[in-house]
Amino acid sequence: SQTIHQWPATLVQPVGSPLSLECTVEGTSNPNLYWYRQAAGRGLQLLFYSVGIGQISSEVPQNLSASRPQDRQFILSSKKLLLSDSGFYLCAWTKVSGGEKLFFGSGTQLSVL
Amino acid sequence: RKEVEQDPGPFNVPEGATVAFNCTYSNSASQSFFWYRQDCRKEPKLLMSVYSSGNEDGRFTAQLNRASQYISLLIRDSKLSDSATYLCVVSGAGSYQLTFGKGTKLSVIP
Repeated sequence: SQTIHQWPATLVQPVGSPLSLECTVEGTSNPNLYWYRQAAGRGLQLLFYSVGIGQISSEVPQNLSASRPQDRQFILSSKKLLLSDSGFYLCAWTKVSGGEKLFFGSGTQLSVL
Repeated sequence: RKEVEQDPGPFNVPEGATVAFNCTYSNSASQSFFWYRQDCRKEPKLLMSVYSSGNEDGRFTAQLNRASQYISLLIRDSKLSDSATYLCVVSGAGSYQLTFGKGTKLSVIP
């Protein structure tokens, strides 16, 4: 069976510090991978998605970036965090055909202070 | 018109009640539809897919109306454990992206 791992669960970072969130998927190959953000009281916002190694599509201009160094690894990064980067970050995957069911990791609650 | 719109909520219902949520979508070419459930500070989890002919899973019934571009979720005999936020999710034709509604919060009261 497929599983998705995301860490850390909680993170408190000062403004201006770097960020690295990691996500890995097991039990499947060549998944589509996604990073979403959910700000307090708001809906899920798609940040990045990837259909293959090294292929990243950005949905929202911001100071965040994503990388996919391996087939089942997806990383969200920032060189300098802003207060507005606070939120609940979720990694997710779907099968390669697209439009399929989306499965989420357990999320990272990021607080930028 | 927003891509996916849901009832604003919150819905506060007594145990045993029947409650219905609606969701409208703007992309007439959308092909896949889902309902997700999200508990506070947790990840969304797939509740059920929504099929053209309508589908049922226990106390939950989902309907799709392509002509009017809306989806519904009906929960019968509400349980305390049904308290959560319910998210409507729609995909585009040939798109890798799923669009989420903002969710409707349900509180089932003893």
